[in-house]
Amino acid sequence: AQSVTQLDSQVPVFEEAPVELRCNYSSSVSVYLFWYVQYPNQGLQLLLKYLSGSTLVESINGFEAEFNKSQTSFHLRKPSVHISDTAEYFCAVSGGAAGNKLTFGGGTRVLVKP
Amino acid sequence: GAGVSQSPRYKVAKRGQDVALRCDPISGHVSLFWYQQALGQGPEFLTYFQNEAQLDKSGLPSDRFFAERPEGSVSTLKIQRTQQEDSAVYLCASSLGTDGYTFGSGTRLTVV
Repeated sequence: AQSVTQLDSQVPVFEEAPVELRCNYSSSVSVYLFWYVQYPNQGLQLLLKYLSGSTLVESINGFEAEFNKSQTSFHLRKPSVHISDTAEYFCAVSGGAAGNKLTFGGGTRVLVKP
Repeated sequence: GAGVSQSPRYKVAKRGQDVALRCDPISGHVSLFWYQQALGQGPEFLTYFQNEAQLDKSGLPSDRFFAERPEGSVSTLKIQRTQQEDSAVYLCASSLGTDGYTFGSGTRLTVV
């Protein structure tokens, strides 16, 4: 079965500082990778996704993630965070033996401090 | 509509009561998923429909959980004889294919 590990459950960071959220997955076949963001009392919003092609993917609000097949990782980064980036971030994988259902990591809570 | 709509937004049920949660997917989206998100955890897969066919129900935790999508559009997740451990946010998502899933805002179920 596929699994997703988010190594940090909580990441405190100061405003305008960089942040990296780590995500590792287990799969022996090609998969699709996603990062979702969840603001308090809201549903999940797609931040970015890797399907194929360039291993570096970017979102419209400054986040980027790099797919590393050899390390089975899909870490999320942002060079300078804002207070509004305070949220929970979930890494997810689909494809392979699990078909098109998403398997999520446990989430990383980002708290941006002024 | 423009997004995935779930109702009710909040539901408080007494233990033993039956509940029904509704999901209205994006028009034309073939695939529909239900997930359960416990407090402080990532969403866990419950079940998947392609049109009206329930292709995967491996995540349903017990036979008290039942989902249907009779006309391939709106879906209902029913939980019979609710128990405290059923308290969670139930998320619905729909998609055209495998490259993007749109989630609703969820239904927060509290069993007292």
